[in-house]
Amino acid sequence: AQSVAQPEDQVNVAEGNPLTVKCTYSVSGNPYLFWYVQYPNRGLQFLLKYITGDNLVKGSYGFEAEFNKSQTSFHLKKPSALVSDSALYFCAENTGGFKTIFGAGTRLFVKA
Amino acid sequence: DAGVIQSPRHEVTEMGQEVTLRCKPISGHDYLFWYRQTMMRGLELLIYFNNNVPIDDSGMPEDRFSAKMPNASFSTLKIQPSEPRDSAVYFCASSRTGTPNQPQHFGDGTRLSIL
Repeated sequence: AQSVAQPEDQVNVAEGNPLTVKCTYSVSGNPYLFWYVQYPNRGLQFLLKYITGDNLVKGSYGFEAEFNKSQTSFHLKKPSALVSDSALYFCAENTGGFKTIFGAGTRLFVKA
Repeated sequence: DAGVIQSPRHEVTEMGQEVTLRCKPISGHDYLFWYRQTMMRGLELLIYFNNNVPIDDSGMPEDRFSAKMPNASFSTLKIQPSEPRDSAVYFCASSRTGTPNQPQHFGDGTRLSIL
């Protein structure tokens, strides 16, 4: 069965340092992969997606993600974290239908 | 452009009462999704519609839950009778058709508390 794994419940990073939020996916073939962010009392917001092509995808707010097919990973990265990046981050995949599988979420805490 | 609009934002009611949650998707989006979010179970897909027709309701927890989409601009999720374990944040999301690479656009949710 399809699944998306986010191995870390929480990631802590100091402001100005690079951040990585990890995600691995399970489907074979060509997945459609997404990252969403959720701020308190808000719905999920789309950050970026990988469909095909360049393995490094750039998205909103300076975030990027690296697709690695051999490791079935799609880690979210940012070169320099901001306190305002503190939020809940979800990795998601869609294999061709319209049903999206979401990971459990990783809480990012950026300390000033 | 207006995003996905959900109402009410908060609902507190007593066990056994009927609860109706409402959603207006983004104009032109023909897929609509209902999710439930809890600390214990994370984000769960309850049901989704395409062109107002329910496609997959396998995530609906019980017969107490029902969802309708009478037209392209309105959907409801109803719980009758409600129970304390239904307490959660319920999200509606919509997306455009075409290919599955379209992201979903979420509303800000309804926080439901059943006493």
